[in-house]
Amino acid sequence: AQTVTQSQPEMSVQEAETVTLSCTYDTSESDYYLFWYKQPPSRQMILVIRQEAYKQQNATENRFSVNFQKAAKSFSLKISDSQLGDAAMYFCAYRGSIQGAQKLVFGQGTRLTINP
Amino acid sequence: GAGVSQSPSNKVTEKGKDVELRCDPISGHTALYWYRQSLGQGLEFLIYFQGNSAPDKSGLPSDRFSAERTGGSVSTLTIQRTQQEDSAVYLCASSYRGFYNSPLHFGNGTRLTVT
Repeated sequence: AQTVTQSQPEMSVQEAETVTLSCTYDTSESDYYLFWYKQPPSRQMILVIRQEAYKQQNATENRFSVNFQKAAKSFSLKISDSQLGDAAMYFCAYRGSIQGAQKLVFGQGTRLTINP
Repeated sequence: GAGVSQSPSNKVTEKGKDVELRCDPISGHTALYWYRQSLGQGLEFLIYFQGNSAPDKSGLPSDRFSAERTGGSVSTLTIQRTQQEDSAVYLCASSYRGFYNSPLHFGNGTRLTVT
């Protein structure tokens, strides 16, 4: 079964600085998608960025980018120029193309605090 | 609608009572998912619907939990004889087809408290 591990329960960063959140996963599939979701206190899960395993180029969305290392099964999220509104729980998630393709498998989350 | 809608937003119930949680997905989304999030934890998959059928019920924790979806739209998650360990946020999500490259869109969840 696929598993997703986030080894940092909490992280903090100064406003305007850069922070990297770690994520590793385990799978035997060759094609899959990886996602980062943000969950503010409102509870809604908001998609931040996604990466297809077959694409070598790392995905970027404005201040958010990923470092996808397929061989190492690593998928970290970098937030540049951190803003107070970035404070939230961040979840890494995996979705396979074959087994259990329908559901997302989530990590335990990292709580990000932004210090003004 | 514009997004996934869940009701109620909060529910407090006494141990042993039954509860129903409702999810109204984005119009046109055929895939619907229920997840459970215990305090400070990640999201635990419960059940997946494609249309009105549920090809994956593997996450339902016990036979006290059931879910249905009618008309390929609204879904109801029912918990019978609630226990204190059922206290959690129940999140619903929908996606266009359920393909692996279709992102899930989540509702704001229902916070269930069993006293």
